[in-house]
Amino acid sequence: ETGVTQTPRHLVMGMTNKKSLKCEQHLGHNAMYWYKQSAKKPLELMFVYNFKEQTENNSVPSRFSPECPNSSHLFLHLHTLQPEDSALYLCASSHRLKRDYEQYFGPGTRLTVT
Amino acid sequence: AQKVTQAQTEISVVEKEDVTLDCVYETRDTTYYLFWYKQPPSGELVFLIRRNSFDEQNEISGRYSWNFQKSTSSFNFTITASQVVDSAVYFCALSSNFNKFYFGSGTKLNVKP
Repeated sequence: ETGVTQTPRHLVMGMTNKKSLKCEQHLGHNAMYWYKQSAKKPLELMFVYNFKEQTENNSVPSRFSPECPNSSHLFLHLHTLQPEDSALYLCASSHRLKRDYEQYFGPGTRLTVT
Repeated sequence: AQKVTQAQTEISVVEKEDVTLDCVYETRDTTYYLFWYKQPPSGELVFLIRRNSFDEQNEISGRYSWNFQKSTSSFNFTITASQVVDSAVYFCALSSNFNKFYFGSGTKLNVKP
């Protein structure tokens, strides 16, 4: 595997379900990000992890819970979601020690909440 | 406040035409970075270019070129001799540190054969 991978690619869940999105990067990066992409809206940065420590939470509802067990893996735990949470969830990574800020994105998980 | 505006929601061109995608940004920071990303139908954003605020030199990469002008807070992207494979949504983004990235709403480019 190379680059940034995300699983599952598609997910349909009910409002009472609990599910998790997984992201893995194979680039040796040490910063990871979760974004939400809704139709006709700019990408919204949700969470940022630097060296496994959460450094940013952009007022994301508590029904979204991130977890970063190591620099290569990032999870987004979902519970009691709302239909408006349906979106494409993108994971990205970058190398914090290189002052280039380039982010590499995964293919995303298309989430539908019914 | 930091903000990126891509006023063109959707553009349609015929193959081999040149097309320019506009990006206007707002920031109070003196040091910042600007980016362009391409998002094909598959969904994955692909990094195209990064520009530092202290480097206004324009850049050309094959059929792609970028015009960075601090005086007008713009970072426009031109595709020369467009091809059908260029069809995608293009995003402009701004960042001053690792914890804050601001994306525009994207411009959907349709290149017709």
